[in-house]
Amino acid sequence: ETGVTQTPRHLVMGMTNKKSLKCEQHLGHNAMYWYKQSAKKPLELMFVYNFKEQTENNSVPSRFSPECPNSSHLFLHLHTLQPEDSALYLCASSQDPAGGSSYEQYFGPGTRLTVT
Amino acid sequence: LAKTTQPISMDSYEGQEVNITCSHNNIATNDYITWYQQFPSQGPRFIIQGYKTKVTNEVASLFIPADRKSSTLSLPRVSLSDTAVYYCLVGDIFVRPDNNNDMRFGAGTRLTVKP
Repeated sequence: ETGVTQTPRHLVMGMTNKKSLKCEQHLGHNAMYWYKQSAKKPLELMFVYNFKEQTENNSVPSRFSPECPNSSHLFLHLHTLQPEDSALYLCASSQDPAGGSSYEQYFGPGTRLTVT
Repeated sequence: LAKTTQPISMDSYEGQEVNITCSHNNIATNDYITWYQQFPSQGPRFIIQGYKTKVTNEVASLFIPADRKSSTLSLPRVSLSDTAVYYCLVGDIFVRPDNNNDMRFGAGTRLTVKP
């Protein structure tokens, strides 16, 4: 248990569906992340939210839409996905180390997404 | 953007010391070196982080030479449960919208510990 939870753990959706992935962190952190992990590929950083401000990631297709309503919650809205979007989607959080603490990301268990 | 190079895979036996080396020739002055461990179908887990010389915790040691162009993760007396993928990351410790957030995961090293 890392203090980061993700729901659902497994999701199967058709290409015309709209679904959302949810992440919640109970660690009091102020930065949250979405990663994509495909088979035999490195983890790909998709989005970063720091102090609820999003860092643009122009390489992520617009069919992925993040939302960060507060520092504890992060969503990834999905629509009109493609089969190649099937992957493990991981959420992580960290604390801005401006106060001198070490930088480390705490990951959730991930959502295994299958697009049919 | 600092990039890392690690061996794709390594094999070891229970009780042995395992050293995994990561190359990061274009590491920047502000960059830290961080290692993560990942088991199948789980998120990565932080192991250790350092800037220079040697860092040790209850799990591992991290050796960083003076030029910081490489680093070595040392796992003492590995067990079967240490079989996992190990990632070396290099990047700015500060996560802010204007610093490109360049802490990136590479392909990692798949360590297999045999009985």
